[in-house]
Amino acid sequence: SQTIHQWPATLVQPVGSPLSLECTVEGTSNPNLYWYRQAAGRGLQLLFYSVGIGQISSEVPQNLSASRPQDRQFILSSKKLLLSDSGFYLCAWSTQESYTFGSGTRLTVV
Amino acid sequence: GIQVEQSPPDLILQEGANSTLRCNFSDSVNNLQWFHQNPWGQLINLFYIPSGTKQNGRLSATTVATERYSLLYISSSQTTDSGVYFCVPEEGGSYIPTFGRGTSLIVHP
Repeated sequence: SQTIHQWPATLVQPVGSPLSLECTVEGTSNPNLYWYRQAAGRGLQLLFYSVGIGQISSEVPQNLSASRPQDRQFILSSKKLLLSDSGFYLCAWSTQESYTFGSGTRLTVV
Repeated sequence: GIQVEQSPPDLILQEGANSTLRCNFSDSVNNLQWFHQNPWGQLINLFYIPSGTKQNGRLSATTVATERYSLLYISSSQTTDSGVYFCVPEEGGSYIPTFGRGTSLIVHP
């Protein structure tokens, strides 16, 4: 079966510290992968998407970057976190007829 | 990009009531999905419905692509239906789904 793993579930980081969130997918190959952020007030903002290894498209210029070192691995990073980076980060993968989200990481920058 | 408008933004129901959530979108789509986000943040896919009507238990959805809208029906609502419902169309030729701002539903016992 197809599953998506995202960790950690919660994270508290000081301003200026680095960030690495990891997402892995099982049971499928060459998925489209996505990183979203959901701030308070419920809208989901697409940050990055990838249609293949090493192929990253950025939707919003910001303090974050993404990488896809393997087919089923998608990493969200920052060199120096800002207070405004706080939020709920969700990884997702898609096939032609479905879209599956990870359980999310709640990041608080203090 | 495609614009998505969901209504109502907020909805409060008594358990057992029925409701209809609406999604209008601005351009043609090759994919449209409905999601439910529970109070713990988990997003669950409800329907993949670029056109036509589908039913799954107490939920059903209809998309009229030519008129650029989709409807989600919830019948005999339960407290577990509470959460936010997102309409997510994918513009034709794009890999990028666009989230509406959602409808926040609270079902009281």
